[in-house]
Amino acid sequence: SQQGEEDPQALSIQEGENATMNCSYKTSINNLQWYRQNSGRGLVHLILIRSNEREKHSGRLRVTLDTSKKSSSLLITASRAADTASYFCATDFYTGANSKLTFGKGITLSVRP
Amino acid sequence: KAGVTQTPRYLIKTRGQQVTLSCSPISGHRSVSWYQQTPGQGLQFLFEYFSETQRNKGNFPGRFSGRQFSNSRSEMNVSTLELGDSALYLCASTNRRGQGAYGYTFGSGTRLTVV
Repeated sequence: SQQGEEDPQALSIQEGENATMNCSYKTSINNLQWYRQNSGRGLVHLILIRSNEREKHSGRLRVTLDTSKKSSSLLITASRAADTASYFCATDFYTGANSKLTFGKGITLSVRP
Repeated sequence: KAGVTQTPRYLIKTRGQQVTLSCSPISGHRSVSWYQQTPGQGLQFLFEYFSETQRNKGNFPGRFSGRQFSNSRSEMNVSTLELGDSALYLCASTNRRGQGAYGYTFGSGTRLTVV
């Protein structure tokens, strides 16, 4: 079953613009992660934010987490054509040593040159 | 260092057959997870292995099984294939040993088509 729900499902922007993607989830988490996937290939880990963190930056990426609203957002600044991909949020919840990622359905981002 | 390697990249099988997919994690990573990705259901967790033991399992029928070897390499097997098993199967490894937040490194996947 899907934990995260991303919004919007598809986003088309011009190169240089910022892209904001949102994710909502339903249950408790230990951390939330964002991944990128190009054309049905493997997922690439972008950024991880722990449940006790509110904001995190990595290069052109900024992620926020609001555990009271069970939501997260990913901001990509100054987008490039190479950012065109599908983006997934994934919640990570572990008990003891058991863990698994639960993914949303993904957001398709198109960046027009 | 080398990434997560999945073989084969593409596979075509007939209904009723069985298939084995292989995954070599990043050196030193002892946790290996498997995910199935389809257009309809998205990314779904299959199972996770750590030190040759299955630690977690998703909601898939018993036709889906896996194992992990002492060198952390993992295989998953699907028996009595059905058309609905056509999917991209992704393997991921992580350095997590217990509690703690770690990202996962994914392989490029095996595209399985059942005809």
